[in-house]
Amino acid sequence: GQQVMQIPQYQHVQEGEDFTTYCNSSTTLSNIQWYKQRPGGHPVFLIQLVKSGEVKKQKRLTFQFGEAKKNSSLHITATQTTDVGTYFCAGRGATGTASKLTFGTGTRLQVTL
Amino acid sequence: GAGVSQSPSNKVTEKGKDVELRCDPISGHTALYWYRQRLGQGLEFLIYFQGNSAPDKSGLPSDRFSAERTGESVSTLTIQRTQQEDSAVYLCASSLWGPGYEQYFGPGTRLTVT
Repeated sequence: GQQVMQIPQYQHVQEGEDFTTYCNSSTTLSNIQWYKQRPGGHPVFLIQLVKSGEVKKQKRLTFQFGEAKKNSSLHITATQTTDVGTYFCAGRGATGTASKLTFGTGTRLQVTL
Repeated sequence: GAGVSQSPSNKVTEKGKDVELRCDPISGHTALYWYRQRLGQGLEFLIYFQGNSAPDKSGLPSDRFSAERTGESVSTLTIQRTQQEDSAVYLCASSLWGPGYEQYFGPGTRLTVT
């Protein structure tokens, strides 16, 4: 079945440093979503990417969908302590069960002053 | 409007007992998902309901796990003969149906099996 891996599993940065998490799918995706889970909380939707090569920005966050639609990345510029949490990508397959999302393994971000 | 709600928020049970977890999705959301999240781990897909279609049960870890959904409303996840490895947070999410819709998660039920 479809597998979605993320690297790194964990990253610890100093506030103000940049951070990037990478998401790789074993199969081509129709779209990809990103979620953030704060410690003790539940995942919350951030954004969806649909087109090959698409880039979207939300303030300090930049999301990119690969040309082959099998990978994606989330880059945070100048991290803040409010960015702490686990970031999950979630992809929908290009064929088959179109509506079922497969979540990635997640990247936990720790930011210290 | 109201989000996804789950009950109970916490459940402590003894090994071997059955437990039932409840999820109330957002009104109008035809898709409903259950996930398991062990401490510090990712989201483990359990089961997916979409309208009146047969549920996708491919993620259920054993026959001790089952889930039902009444129409497009409440869902219950039942774990029979609980084991200590069932201890986790069980998250429910709902969405509108279709490839372009995001999932809205409930706060989860923290299950502890002693």
